[in-house]
Order: sequence, then C-alpha cells, then structure tokens
Amino acid sequence: GENVEQHPSTLSVQEGDSAVIKCTYSDSASNYFPWYKQELGKGPQLIIDIRSNVGEKKDQRIAVTLNKTAKHFSLHITETQPEDSAVYFCSGGGADGLTFGKGTHLIIQP
Amino acid sequence: NAGVTQTPKFQVLKTGQSMTLQCAQDMNHNSMYWYRQDPGMGLRLIYYSASEGTTDKGEVPNGYNVSRLNKREFSLRLESAAPSQTSVYFCASRAGQGGHYGYTFGSGTRLTVV
Repeated sequence: GENVEQHPSTLSVQEGDSAVIKCTYSDSASNYFPWYKQELGKGPQLIIDIRSNVGEKKDQRIAVTLNKTAKHFSLHITETQPEDSAVYFCSGGGADGLTFGKGTHLIIQP
Repeated sequence: NAGVTQTPKFQVLKTGQSMTLQCAQDMNHNSMYWYRQDPGMGLRLIYYSASEGTTDKGEVPNGYNVSRLNKREFSLRLESAAPSQTSVYFCASRAGQGGHYGYTFGSGTRLTVV
C-alpha cells in the first residue's frame, strides 16, 4: 500500500515569512495529492490539491509542487499570517483511497 | 449546509460501557471512513466503507465495529470501551468517482474513557 512521510513535524516561522512543508510517497500509481488544514477543535479541511499530470498549482498565497520522478510533493505558503497557524496534513492516493502524513504543526510567530 | 455531521461532539464513558458514534453525509458520496486522531499519531484509519453495503478494516480496527446503514449513514460502535480508546474520532466521506477523490471531514467527536 501507499506510505506517505511528512516533514517537519513542527515548523515555526515569523509572520510574513514563507513556510514549506514536504512530503514523499511510495506508490507510483498514486495520482492525486490533496492538502488539508486542521484548526484547533475542528476537522481537517481541504485547502488545495494537485493531480499527477500537473507539476505546480497556485491559489493566492498557497502553492503545491509535485515531482513524480522523485515522488516528492510540497506545500508552500507565502507571506504567512496569524490565521495560517494550524496543523497541515499531506495525503496521496487516488480512486482506492488516500493515505495521510502525520501532520505538521505550523506556528506563526508575531 | 452540505457536509458531514457527527454526533455527539463530546462524550465521557466509563470503562466497559458501550456507545455508538453517528455520522451522516448529504453529498451523495459513495465512500465513508472513520479515523481516530491521537497526539503525534496523525489520522489512523479504523474502518471504511467503499460503497453502500460494504465495510472493511483499516489500520486500527480492534475494539470497534461499524455499520453502513444506508448511503448517507455510517456508524462506529465501541462494544466495551477501554481507556486506550480515548481519542478524537473523525468521520469522512468522498465521492470516489469521476476524479473526485478528496475527503470531506466532520467536526469530530471527542471521547474520553475513564
């Protein structure tokens, strides 16, 4: 089955700086890679996704990149704001389901 | 609002008691999932139902049972609760067809077993 590794487990950045979270996956058949944001006391919420036929996708301050050859994908958040503080999960898979990383706790320092 | 609804939001049980966590979705999704979330462990899959009428074990099924009552509802039952089952439980659903593979999560049930 699929195995998704996520790093780092905790990331602290100054407000206004950029944050990058990295993931790797093992199953070359995986073709869908969504990212989820979980705020305190809430369920995870889909914030952006990328499919294997695309190398990069942007949505305002958030971007995801995918390197199929290396089986790496990353989440980039620019101009970080206090409301970006949360736990972020990467995931990978496709029609048969998703496998989640263990999460990154992003802390935005004022 | 369309989405996944979980009840109850909070529950305290004594060791050995039983209870059922309820989950319902109104998006006509085919697949439904139960996860537990513990500090440092991420989301661990307990059981899932790929379609109405089917259920399968996930990573941590011991001590749990599930029922896919119909397309909308997927319940999780603890027959004899143990302190190790203290956790936050999330239900999720997804269409699973036509490239719509993203999950929609409920807001969670925080369960404490004393």
